[in-house]
Amino acid sequence: KQEVTQIPAALSVPEGENLVLNCSFTDSAIYNLQWFRQDPGKGLTSLLLIQSSQREQTSGRLNASLDKSSGRSTLYIAASQPGDSATYLCAGGADSWGKLQFGAGTQVVVTP
Amino acid sequence: DGGITQSPKYLFRKEGQNVTLSCEQNLNHDAMYWYRQDPGQGLRLIYYSQIVNDFQKGDIAEGYSVSREKKESFPLTVTSAQKNPTAFYLCASSGYTGFNQPQHFGDGTRLSIL
Repeated sequence: KQEVTQIPAALSVPEGENLVLNCSFTDSAIYNLQWFRQDPGKGLTSLLLIQSSQREQTSGRLNASLDKSSGRSTLYIAASQPGDSATYLCAGGADSWGKLQFGAGTQVVVTP
Repeated sequence: DGGITQSPKYLFRKEGQNVTLSCEQNLNHDAMYWYRQDPGQGLRLIYYSQIVNDFQKGDIAEGYSVSREKKESFPLTVTSAQKNPTAFYLCASSGYTGFNQPQHFGDGTRLSIL
């Protein structure tokens, strides 16, 4: 069974600094890797999806990489802003049914 | 606006009572999912459905039941057999192929015990 880990559980950065969020997974036979954002008391918002055949995806200030051989994905957020404060979750797509295995998330605080 | 609507936002359950959480989507998505989120933990899959009148158990299905009579609706019943139901419940949907399309989420239902 796929296991997904996110370390650290929380981090705080000053505004303007680049954010680097880590995600590791145990099964390299992964269909895709998805990154989500969750604001307090809300549902999840999809940020990026990397298919297993891809190495990275980009959207605006966000860039996510996928290295299946090492079992790692990294989400980069350039020039962080206070509005980026949220919990970021990664999830591995383990099979063709669309089932996802989620990490516990990294809570990010960007201080002005 | 297309999206997923979950209701109610807050729900309270008495001992021995079954409660039903509603999930409706107007995205024309085939696949729908129910997750449970506990504090400080990631989401865990309860049930999922790829097509109408078909659904599969996820990792923590015991004490829960679902139905999928319409494409746009996927209600979740928390039965009295679920002894620890207090959690945040999230419904999601995705397009036809499921595994290579992002999942879209509702805003959740928070269930508590009276």
